[in-house]
Amino acid sequence: SQQGEEDPQALSIQEGENATMNCSYKTSINNLQWYRQNSGRGLVHLILIRSNEREKHSGRLRVTLDTSKKSSSLLITASRAADTASYFCATDITGGGNKLTFGTGTQLKVEL
Amino acid sequence: EPEVTQTPSHQVTQMGQEVILRCVPISNHLYFYWYRQILGQKVEFLVSFYNNEISEKSEIFDDQFSVERPDGSNFTLKIRSTKLEDSAMYFCASSESRGATGYTFGSGTRLTVV
Repeated sequence: SQQGEEDPQALSIQEGENATMNCSYKTSINNLQWYRQNSGRGLVHLILIRSNEREKHSGRLRVTLDTSKKSSSLLITASRAADTASYFCATDITGGGNKLTFGTGTQLKVEL
Repeated sequence: EPEVTQTPSHQVTQMGQEVILRCVPISNHLYFYWYRQILGQKVEFLVSFYNNEISEKSEIFDDQFSVERPDGSNFTLKIRSTKLEDSAMYFCASSESRGATGYTFGSGTRLTVV
């Protein structure tokens, strides 16, 4: 698998439900970040979790990180139609220089 | 909330022409980046810039590409002789620190090479 692969590739849920997206990566990281991208627009930073952290919350977002499994999950609780977007994980790889490696993304659709 | 501003939002250019994409990063940020996203593909790193010099570049960032911070506010990406495969969305980003905070991305410039 590639550095930063999200699953599922696409997710469709009803408003009010929770959405869980997963990200797997291959190499040691300094931190992992989640971004949202509305269609054709820029990337919006959601949350950063450091390699020594296991869980982080921000509003309706909860991110977990399991460095032993090299995986992270993003949970959006009580989803809204406005949460419809693509979600990307991005890793800051240890020794990888000053850059982020983005995953393939999960397309989330929240239906009314 | 502070924003990263990119201009133009769309640019159409003839193959072989030079283009300059412009960005105004957030004023107190120290690290600047360019990424690109070919339609339907991953966001790819191009280059990072710190202390008035390139700190990292990818293999995409060949001799056709250059970056400049001509004054205290602008950060530009120049593509000297565009190719069809340069068609993509180009994103500028900036960050306050390295590794402690996320990046702030601009809304992007959609470059179409015809």
